[in-house]
Amino acid sequence: AQSVSQHNHHVILSEAASLELGCNYSYGGTVNLFWYVQYPGQHLQLLLKYFSGDPLVKGIKGFEAEFIKSKFSFNLRKPSVQWSDTAEYFCAVSDSWGKFQFGAGTQVVVTP
Amino acid sequence: KAGVTQTPRYLIKTRGQQVTLSCSPISGHRSVSWYQQTPGQGLQFLFEYFSETQRNKGNFPGRFSGRQFSNSRSEMNVSTLELGDSALYLCASSGDRVTGELFFGEGSRLTVL
Repeated sequence: AQSVSQHNHHVILSEAASLELGCNYSYGGTVNLFWYVQYPGQHLQLLLKYFSGDPLVKGIKGFEAEFIKSKFSFNLRKPSVQWSDTAEYFCAVSDSWGKFQFGAGTQVVVTP
Repeated sequence: KAGVTQTPRYLIKTRGQQVTLSCSPISGHRSVSWYQQTPGQGLQFLFEYFSETQRNKGNFPGRFSGRQFSNSRSEMNVSTLELGDSALYLCASSGDRVTGELFFGEGSRLTVL
């Protein structure tokens, strides 16, 4: 069975700091990888996704993620965060059947 | 294009009751999936429907059921509610099974007293 592990449950950082959220998955087959974000009071929305090709993918709002197949990882990064990046971030994996598995989420708080 | 619409947004029930939640997907999307979101647990997959057929199912007891109608609208039902069923129930629709990007609704927040 698939599983997705997010390394941190809570992250607090100051504006302009760099952010990196870890995500590891376990699955033997071909996977698609996603990062979703849930801003306070809003619905989940897609930040970025990886299906194939360049393992470094760029998403909205300056976020990027790198797929490292040998490490089964898909870490999310942003060089300089803003207060508006305060949100909960979810890593997700889908298999060739379209079945999704989400991580437990990382709550990110950016202080002014 | 309207997004995924879930109703009701909030509801309070007592133990032993049952509840039905509704989801209208994005127009043209035929896949609808349901998730339970609780603090610290993330999103737990309940089930997925495609063209009125349940295609995938998560590890939830039989008290949790769902269905999809010919217009792709979906409902989920929870019978004999327990305190632990209190959660945000999210519906997501998808228009492409291969790319699989999910579009989420705002959720139905269920409180069981």
